[in-house]
Amino acid sequence: DAKTTQPNSMESNEEEPVHLPCNHSTISGTDYIHWYRQLPSQGPEYVIHGLTSNVNNRMASLAIAEDRKSSTLILHRATLRDAAVYYCILRVDSYSGGGADGLTFGKGTHLIIQP
Amino acid sequence: EPEVTQTPSHQVTQMGQEVILRCVPISNHLYFYWYRQILGQKVEFLVSFYNNEISEKSEIFDDQFSVERPDGSNFTLKIRSTKLEDSAMYFCASRLGDRINSPLHFGNGTRLTVT
Repeated sequence: DAKTTQPNSMESNEEEPVHLPCNHSTISGTDYIHWYRQLPSQGPEYVIHGLTSNVNNRMASLAIAEDRKSSTLILHRATLRDAAVYYCILRVDSYSGGGADGLTFGKGTHLIIQP
Repeated sequence: EPEVTQTPSHQVTQMGQEVILRCVPISNHLYFYWYRQILGQKVEFLVSFYNNEISEKSEIFDDQFSVERPDGSNFTLKIRSTKLEDSAMYFCASRLGDRINSPLHFGNGTRLTVT
């Protein structure tokens, strides 16, 4: 997996939007941008992924820069339950025939939500 | 919503003993994984499994480790002779497998303590 860079930690207030940045300047044309998060004492949880266009789902939005060298995960209205470590991971898109597909987790961004 | 379930939630064993960590992946998923997370460190990939064989393994997954899908529903990780440094959270994950970008679904882990 190509390398990503994220801030070690960020702090936000409850019920405010949160923008979590990720830099991936060496991204290749076939890499998808995935976000996972890990709540305290739980396993990682899929959040969202995208290729070029911005993406929305019930958990978050993903804004992808035009040159794809950076992206931002947006939590529209953070709650205390969103306090977690957020991981930005690049994944190659290919037909799943077995082969190398383990996710490579970095240190992620530790998001702290203040009440 | 279907979940990946792991048992036991906490396993304590003595150094040199064999342990088996158990996982029930989501029923229609085709790809299975084990990850580990030593306290305070990154989530690390151990092994991926597809079509009843290992498709990828990391350097951590040495001869002391093995995986098995014995009955079509369980997915197990065996550590033959545990060492102190095997103490960690072990996460099982599965994914549907239509494309490599299908998200991984993680269990909440087994905490292994080797004394």
